[in-house]
Amino acid sequence: NAGVTQTPKFQVLKTGQSMTLQCAQDMNHEYMSWYRQDPGMGLRLIHYSVGAGITDQGEVPNGYNVSRSTTEDFPLRLLSAAPSQTSVYFCASSRLQTGSGSPLHFGNGTRLTVT
Amino acid sequence: EDKVVQSPLSLVVHEGDTVTLNCSYEVTNFRSLLWYKQEKKAPTFLFMLTSSGIEKKSGRLSSILDKKELFSILNITATQTGDSAVYLCAVGAGNNRKLIWGLGTSLAVNP
Repeated sequence: NAGVTQTPKFQVLKTGQSMTLQCAQDMNHEYMSWYRQDPGMGLRLIHYSVGAGITDQGEVPNGYNVSRSTTEDFPLRLLSAAPSQTSVYFCASSRLQTGSGSPLHFGNGTRLTVT
Repeated sequence: EDKVVQSPLSLVVHEGDTVTLNCSYEVTNFRSLLWYKQEKKAPTFLFMLTSSGIEKKSGRLSSILDKKELFSILNITATQTGDSAVYLCAVGAGNNRKLIWGLGTSLAVNP
């Protein structure tokens, strides 16, 4: 099993550009989520999904869109990149919703720089 | 407001030392507490604790939860340079079962 796979590993964008961060998991997990990690801020939840066709906002959703058309895939879209979105982004999945006794499995992250 | 506080923020030890990392929490409707290790890349899962007083153990790492005093500790005995990492604590809480993350403890083990 590959677990949680994120692409790309690194990305540089100019302000105003759009892009999609890809995330796929092969563990048949119902729950998937996107976090950003910034120094001194810890892990912050952007969006999450409890199953195909269902998404919801996390703590810091502004500037990001998600969709969940299949159980396996959960892409994160930046519609118009801003320097404040420079961060490391992690996709994570779990069998059950977080906090329900099912640990999160993380992808290796995408380091995004917006200039 | 729900919060998770880890201490110390950073720690430097020598190989062979024993370390204790702390995670205290104030949350509504506690469900679980999780420990993760983060090296250069993704956080990797270490332990999940739901019951008070029951120690989870894996090799040189162990963890215990005190639901009365609202904290958990992560112990690492006979530390090795490979234990150098950021250790993250997260608490699952609330009816929506959200995870609240601490800022982590950065551990450096010197040879």
